[in-house]
Amino acid sequence: AQSVTQLGSHVSVSEGALVLLRCNYSSSVPPYLFWYVQYPNQGLQLLLKYTSAATLVKGINGFEAEFKKSETSFHLTKPSAHMSDAAEYFCAVSRMDSSYKLIFGSGTRLLVRP
Amino acid sequence: DGGITQSPKYLFRKEGQNVTLSCEQNLNHDAMYWYRQDPGQGLRLIYYSQIVNDFQKGDIAEGYSVSREKKESFPLTVTSAQKNPTAFYLCASSIEDWSSGANVLTFGAGSRLTVL
Repeated sequence: AQSVTQLGSHVSVSEGALVLLRCNYSSSVPPYLFWYVQYPNQGLQLLLKYTSAATLVKGINGFEAEFKKSETSFHLTKPSAHMSDAAEYFCAVSRMDSSYKLIFGSGTRLLVRP
Repeated sequence: DGGITQSPKYLFRKEGQNVTLSCEQNLNHDAMYWYRQDPGQGLRLIYYSQIVNDFQKGDIAEGYSVSREKKESFPLTVTSAQKNPTAFYLCASSIEDWSSGANVLTFGAGSRLTVL
């Protein structure tokens, strides 16, 4: 069975500081991994995805994530937080042999302090 | 512009009533999905459909029903059998990435159902 754990339901950073949102996954087969962002009362928007090519993945809005198989992690980072980054972020995993079922983590709400 | 349209955005219903949420996509995607979102629980898969006239149960299908008569439409009915229907419902569609085989989901803006 697959699962996703996002450490920290809330993360608070100052504007201009490093953003680090943690995601660990469990999968018995090679995974696809995703990060999505959700603004209040809206749907989810894809930030980036890992599909077994490069382990360092760059996404939109300056975000990137690194797939580390040995640590079963896919943490999301951004060098400098902006006020507009305040939102909820979801990590998700699916299986390479059955990619229709996407399993989501419980989400991390990012707060950006001025 | 291509996208996914969910309606209504907000819906209020009395306990015991069935309600149907609409989801339409013009992305020409083969697969469509319904997720339920509750605070602090992430998204949970209700049903998904890989092709027209076929669909599979997700992790929390009890109390819900779907149909897929057209490629672009995937309505969700929340029945009176659903014990706790108040939630935010998200529809998505996907197409298989040609290079990797991954299904990358595109989401609608959601429908918030409140049962009084």
